[in-house]
Amino acid sequence: EVQLVESGGGLVQPGGSLRLSCVASGFIFNNDWMSWVRQAPGKGLEWVANIKQDGNEKDYVDSVKGRFTISRDNAKNSLHVQMNSLRAEDTAVYYCVRILYGAFESWGQGTLVTVSS
Amino acid sequence: QSALTQPASVSGSPGQSITISCTGTSSDVGAYKYVSWYQQHPGKAPKLMIYEVSDRPSGVSDRFSGSKSDNTASLTISGLQTEDEADYYCSSYTRSSTFVFGSGTKVTVL
Repeated sequence: EVQLVESGGGLVQPGGSLRLSCVASGFIFNNDWMSWVRQAPGKGLEWVANIKQDGNEKDYVDSVKGRFTISRDNAKNSLHVQMNSLRAEDTAVYYCVRILYGAFESWGQGTLVTVSS
Repeated sequence: QSALTQPASVSGSPGQSITISCTGTSSDVGAYKYVSWYQQHPGKAPKLMIYEVSDRPSGVSDRFSGSKSDNTASLTISGLQTEDEADYYCSSYTRSSTFVFGSGTKVTVL
């Protein structure tokens, strides 16, 4: 059974930083692209970033470019996102997601990030 | 990176069929077969219902079907059931090597 468990969410002030992590199990982690998807309170889904199997290709939504960095540690089956210069509009539940066949195939339970003073 | 366009709400009675549209452009929906659909119940993580336009993951009911014509994809739910009441989102891979989601549709079972 595929499991994705996120951690690292919490309350942070505007301009602050946070690092989210996700530990994967139940599949061969280094075979698949991985992604972060977020959902602001009461809003829709927004794709945030992708990372290729070997970590050498990364893509980001425009609104986080230059502020967020996605990374992975295949030896530890883990996915991360370093979030800097956080803004109120980054407040959301962040989901760790496995990509398969060009779709978001498996989702974690999400971790809430709140950016507020 | 504008969101794909979905109707805000769709409703139907139990047993009926409903269709949710998802309109994009030639740079996303119209460009690839990588269109997918997700069901999300309140307070839960989304669940993949359709991938590659019309394929169903194992365990998803065959009452759910997908299609695409030009820049518009569609999700049809046949034999509507009370448990189908949820939010539904489409998604597409894009020519910019990014993904984009739809605006979301709330399905109500009357």
